[in-house]
Amino acid sequence: QVQLQESGPGLVKPSETLSLTCSVSGGSFTTYYWTWIRQPPGKALEWIGFIYYSGTTKYNPSLQSRVTMSVDTSKNQFSLRVTSVTAADTAVYYCARGVPSYGGNSFDYWGQGTLVTVSS
Amino acid sequence: DIQMTQSPSTLSASVGDRVTITCRASETVNSWLAWYQQKPGKAPKLLIYKSSSLESGVPSRFSGSGSGTEFTLTITSLQPDDFATYYCQQYNMYPFTFGPGTKVDIK
Repeated sequence: QVQLQESGPGLVKPSETLSLTCSVSGGSFTTYYWTWIRQPPGKALEWIGFIYYSGTTKYNPSLQSRVTMSVDTSKNQFSLRVTSVTAADTAVYYCARGVPSYGGNSFDYWGQGTLVTVSS
Repeated sequence: DIQMTQSPSTLSASVGDRVTITCRASETVNSWLAWYQQKPGKAPKLLIYKSSSLESGVPSRFSGSGSGTEFTLTITSLQPDDFATYYCQQYNMYPFTFGPGTKVDIK
């Protein structure tokens, strides 16, 4: 059974760095596109980007200057860093498994989500 | 970015009703369109991928259709477990984008 679990601080101060990790259990770690998606309270979903097991990344241009993703294949984990956060970065952050296709990715497994609040 | 719109934004329906949600893209996404169901406080759940392919384990009352810029999600006989918010997502072009959601609530 595939499971994803986010971990990291739930409160980050403005201008600081948000850091989250997603731990993956079950299934292949080398087949899929490991993805971060966020959802501000009461709003729609926003694709942040993905990392492949090889370290290849693709980010949303709207966040690209502030986002870094990394992967640890020895632990089946991948991570997200967002620098210089503001209140606009307050959201539930989900990690998800992106299914490869001739197009891009749909997302068949998701973590439960973790609320990150940006506040002093 | 490809902009996704959904209609209606809210839909009031009764158990047993046939429900149709429309998703439109600002430019063609071919058939690279997925549908998700989300309940309050929960992660989205994949229902449909590649416009009309039913994800494993999803009840057959859910179906998807369309290509290009217009897509529909149909629930043939609404069940109590189906009251939720539904999102479409295009994955034809980066950045992948989601629609604003359609909330299906009880009439």
